[in-house]
Amino acid sequence: DIQMTQSPSTLSASVGDRVIITCRASQSISSRLAWYQQRPGKAPKLLIHQASSLESGVPSRFSGSGSGTEFTLTISSLQPDDFATYYCQQYRYYWTFGQGTKVEIK
Amino acid sequence: EVQLVESGGGLVKPGGSLRLSCAASGFTFSSYNINWVRQAPGKGLEWVSSFGSDDSFTPHADSVKGRFTISRDNAKNSVYLQMNSLRAEDTAVYYCARSLHSGTGDFWGQGTLVTVSS
Repeated sequence: DIQMTQSPSTLSASVGDRVIITCRASQSISSRLAWYQQRPGKAPKLLIHQASSLESGVPSRFSGSGSGTEFTLTISSLQPDDFATYYCQQYRYYWTFGQGTKVEIK
Repeated sequence: EVQLVESGGGLVKPGGSLRLSCAASGFTFSSYNINWVRQAPGKGLEWVSSFGSDDSFTPHADSVKGRFTISRDNAKNSVYLQMNSLRAEDTAVYYCARSLHSGTGDFWGQGTLVTVSS
């Protein structure tokens, strides 16, 4: 099984901050990595697929990078709407999710 | 408009059974895999099972293998999750999500809550 490890688990930031979340896979997943945003009580929303491809309609302040086992999600300038929990997911072999990163208001 | 609507959740006693449904509309259902993902209260996301668009691919997570069975009815644009021998740790919101072959979930339903408790 492929394990996904996200860091940090919680992140306190202010509006306008640059935020970086990292995700590590236990083995190479090439670029089969997605990032989701989830707000309380809502379904996950796909932000990025194939490690760096922005889903249609997602603001350009979100970006993803990486390949193999190391990946990052960057929010260039945090907006009020962005306070949520973010999950990485590998889809190289079935699906596995990271444990999530909660972005809180500082 | 793409829609995935889950139903069938509820309260069940340990050892009991439930059948969840995921009804799809607004897209070519037969071209997509349908996946079940669950989220226990206050916890992260856990993949449960998938049904491939070609009908030959039906993996299940180890945590539910032998107890849960996924099935699909393309005529009804629906996927089902039969859950038997339910345990307290199966308590979660169950989401269905569509994906293209070898892809990730680009659209998710709103989920249905399953509570296993005596």
